[in-house]
Amino acid sequence: DSGVTQTPKHLITATGQRVTLRCSPRSGDLSVYWYQQSLDQGLQFLIQYYNGEERAKGNILERFSAQQFPDLHSELNLSSLELGDSALYFCASSGTGANSSPLHFGNGTRLTVT
Amino acid sequence: AQKVTQAQTEISVVEKEDVTLDCVYETRDTTYYLFWYKQPPSGELVFLIRRNSFDEQNEISGRYSWNFQKSTSSFNFTITASQVVDSAVYFCGGRNYGGSQGNLIFGKGTKLSVKP
Repeated sequence: DSGVTQTPKHLITATGQRVTLRCSPRSGDLSVYWYQQSLDQGLQFLIQYYNGEERAKGNILERFSAQQFPDLHSELNLSSLELGDSALYFCASSGTGANSSPLHFGNGTRLTVT
Repeated sequence: AQKVTQAQTEISVVEKEDVTLDCVYETRDTTYYLFWYKQPPSGELVFLIRRNSFDEQNEISGRYSWNFQKSTSSFNFTITASQVVDSAVYFCGGRNYGGSQGNLIFGKGTKLSVKP
């Protein structure tokens, strides 16, 4: 068990809808990362937050947004969903956000857009 | 921009065979960190190891060993006497030392099947 909690485990929704994925990092970890895993794109970095502030952005679509709250949990909001957004979304956390720190991943949220 | 290449898409071995998974990390930075993760059929991503670019010592942990060669930017992972429980997708990742390029990027993964 990595200590990173993601909810829900599964989400099925229709095109055009909006969903929110939630992540609780390991106790004491200040940095949260979001990744998308799809069959064709592999594991893609989306965005990183450190202690409530956005630190880095990757291949995140404009329809997607995230935030990290004062209690350090994070949410990833996906809107105007398309079929191609179906994927496994991972949250990860690390202690300080230093690049030497390994990321510890949650079990992921599997999103299916129909 | 950095790039991680895992040339082997799938490998199939019989139990007790040794198997090596290849990984090459391309970057202009001289300081970086390399990682291996395991994704078993249940789907979670499990951290296995981190290596600094300035440390070329090989590392062994039980049946797992890692060989890093900076000259070729390779960070290969060997499983000795493979077991069925080793069946998983293995991801190699790289992360530069700092700045906006410092995020962990992954290769496409190598799917390892160990047959009894």
